[in-house]
Amino acid sequence: RKEVEQDPGPFNVPEGATVAFNCTYSNSASQSFFWYRQDCRKEPKLLMSVYSSGNEDGRFTAQLNRASQYISLLIRDSKLSDSATYLCVVAPGDYKLSFGAGTTVTVRA
Amino acid sequence: EAQVTQNPRYLITVTGKKLTVTCSQNMNHEYMSWYRQDPGLGLRQIYYSMNVEVTDKGDVPEGYKVSRKEKRNFPLILESPSPNQTSLYFCASSSLINGGELFFGEGSRLTVL
Repeated sequence: RKEVEQDPGPFNVPEGATVAFNCTYSNSASQSFFWYRQDCRKEPKLLMSVYSSGNEDGRFTAQLNRASQYISLLIRDSKLSDSATYLCVVAPGDYKLSFGAGTTVTVRA
Repeated sequence: EAQVTQNPRYLITVTGKKLTVTCSQNMNHEYMSWYRQDPGLGLRQIYYSMNVEVTDKGDVPEGYKVSRKEKRNFPLILESPSPNQTSLYFCASSSLINGGELFFGEGSRLTVL
């Protein structure tokens, strides 16, 4: 079983829609969680960290569910510029970050 | 400008011909790491370094070497490249282990024939 699993998508949504997707992780001792964004095989860039209480950054909301071992990302009022691959990153605490394969989101006009 | 610089960005080589991909960061980060990205597999860590002269294996270290003689540089060495090392490689650095944002280089696309 992969350490971090994501639905690859693609999620095709119209502008203005809400899209949400999850990422599951296998190591219950994982301590830190992140969402990164990657555009068309360019370098990944940090979108947001995920805190235990959940956190919001503008149109983006991240949640952590430790009991079920998943994190989620919700994008409200989708923009064309949100089209990208979203990578889930989990840190078990031993300096070896585990990346999911990514969820592709395509926002259409 | 804060950045991580990788070179070369694109390289086509042949099996067995040693090559080095350089990585340099100007942010005085302690932590540096190499990843490879393959379709459907996500980013997999090759090696990482927590400081000068401190390196450790990631998940897929076979066929690679690294060194960390200076804080800013973390080269990736392929002593005898093979076709299964054809991939997109990213170098990244961070100021805090696990808690800090990873800054990535632009990537190096390597093809081994």
